Formats: sequence, C-alpha cells, structure tokens
Amino acid sequence: EAQVTQNPRYLITVTGKKLTVTCSQNMNHEYMSWYRQDPGLGLRQIYYSMNVEVTDKGDVPEGYKVSRKEKRNFPLILESPSPNQTSLYFCASSLRVGEQYFGPGTRLTVT
Amino acid sequence: SQQGEEDPQALSIQEGENATMNCSYKTSINNLQWYRQNSGRGLVHLILIRSNEREKHSGRLRVTLDTSKKSSSLLITASRAADTASYFCATDETGAGSYQLTFGKGTKLSVIP
Repeated sequence: EAQVTQNPRYLITVTGKKLTVTCSQNMNHEYMSWYRQDPGLGLRQIYYSMNVEVTDKGDVPEGYKVSRKEKRNFPLILESPSPNQTSLYFCASSLRVGEQYFGPGTRLTVT
Repeated sequence: SQQGEEDPQALSIQEGENATMNCSYKTSINNLQWYRQNSGRGLVHLILIRSNEREKHSGRLRVTLDTSKKSSSLLITASRAADTASYFCATDETGAGSYQLTFGKGTKLSVIP
C-alpha cells in the first residue's frame, strides 16, 4: 500500500531533550516536506527536500533540522525542543510538483 | 508566508445542500490545490487546477480559478455528513530549482444529517 509513515504518532517530552521524528515513504517520491499545524495558523512549511542530499528551508525552520540521506526517509530533528514547538507535525511527499501525500501526523508536546 | 486565505472560516449546512468555499491568494501561481482534513488527521488531496484552467470537476467537486482576481472556489454539491472536515487551499509558486506549497488556514465545514 502506498503510504507515508511517521513515528512516533504521539510524543511528550521535556524542554531541551533532543528528539527525532521519522518519516518514510514507499512511493519513490523525490519531493518530501515537513509542516507544522497550529490552531488559527493553518499549515506552515518547516523544511522541504527536492531530492537526496538537497534540502531547503520553508517558512518556519528555526529550531529544526532535517536530513535526506536516502530517497525514502526524511527525519525531522529537534536538537533542543522548546514549548513553542508543541504542535501537530505532518510529513508529506510527492512524485513531482503537484499532489502531495501526507502522513498521519505526530502530535508533539514539549513541557 | 501565508498565501491562501479561505473564506468562510467555518460553514454549517444541512445534508443535501451545496457548500461553497473560497480561497484568495496574493502572488502569481503555477497551480492551486484543494485538500481535505478530517479532525487531527493527515490531509488528503482533492483536486488540482492549473493556472491556465478556469474550471475543473471531480465527482461532486467543482473548482474554479480566476487568476485575474487571484481567487478560487470549491463547490461540494449534495453534501453528506461524511463531508464534514476542514478544507484547505494550497498554492504553488514554484520557481526554478525550488518547490513550495503554501497553505491557507482552512474552512471548517460541518454537514448536519
């Protein structure tokens, strides 16, 4: 089944404790992206990647890192999480410019 | 940068009625897409309309695009309770060597059985 998977789905952590949210797609898509969704603010893009080893900042990259060592994986790294990074995070992928396939989301709480 | 702005923010209708949502954007685009999100879940792509198209249909969905007014509308005909969800427009301003989709804040649709 074609899908984008994210892990974990739910995470509660404390300020400053490094964490990684994994994202994997099985559709051989070149393009992958991370978004965060907050009430009243909609979806905002954090980082995106056009292909392996090619990443670029979105609208809200501060406090986040990404890597794209393999085509299928695009992990999101929070080196030192803070409470303002409490949010619902989505990974997405697409074959080309156009329709994006979204993962199920990761709900992160930073206390 | 927030590009698309949906209107209204919330819409409540009876089952069987039509639902219309609007999206306005600010800059030139390559295409505009509509997505649906059921509460707290991932977004699902509904339809894509290119900048040189004016109208597109998919099942009970009808999308229009007016590039002169920088606006789009999504019409859902004969609504069902299962259409209850949030709907987002997303614009693609892709330039050479980059790709970004910019989402609006969404319209929350409630269809009352």
